[in-house]
Amino acid sequence: EAGVTQFPSHSVIEKGQTVTLRCDPISGHDNLYWYRRVMGKEIKFLLHFVKESKQDESGMPNNRFLAERTGGTYSTLKVQPAELEDSGVYFCASTFSGGAHTGELFFGEGSRLTVL
Amino acid sequence: AQSVTQLDSQVPVFEEAPVELRCNYSSSVSVYLFWYVQYPNQGLQLLLKYLSGSTLVESINGFEAEFNKSQTSFHLRKPSVHISDTAEYFCAVSGLRGATNKLIFGTGTLLAVQP
Repeated sequence: EAGVTQFPSHSVIEKGQTVTLRCDPISGHDNLYWYRRVMGKEIKFLLHFVKESKQDESGMPNNRFLAERTGGTYSTLKVQPAELEDSGVYFCASTFSGGAHTGELFFGEGSRLTVL
Repeated sequence: AQSVTQLDSQVPVFEEAPVELRCNYSSSVSVYLFWYVQYPNQGLQLLLKYLSGSTLVESINGFEAEFNKSQTSFHLRKPSVHISDTAEYFCAVSGLRGATNKLIFGTGTLLAVQP
């Protein structure tokens, strides 16, 4: 069974450009999360989808960030225009709502974004 | 709201020595507690978790953590580390609020095992 996959693994862009990160969750997982880690700091929650609906987007930094999950399968996170402080590793995670609340999230390897 | 503190950003240790990675949390509600591990060039993986019951939980590779409610701690320990344990370890909490599974992470502790 394929795990959570993220693309690209690394992106280097200049300030002001646009970048779109993609996450494919584990098949059948209705919950999808985006997290971000800025160098040396904690992994911070960005938002949570249940199927195609945004359940919680309290962690989104500002309106330069747009997340979508059309059809409730894969998700994209667009940063437009990118700023220097957006650099970091963006993690995607997924889990299935059914059954007991186990607390386990399944993470992808992350997309490293470098804004110059 | 919850928060997690991992005071040690890096812990160097010799192979076969014991290690303890510290984690303290703050929460106004009951929580679930987790340790995730990130090996080099890999994603985060669940190492162990405390949901309820016995306060001492163990992983399959010899790590254990004890939930201490009075001290609001969930320290991770291993009596004898291996080179292969070199990784970054993240403590995390989630509130007992339905099944949202939203995790709050600490800043991570890099465990560097030296021969």
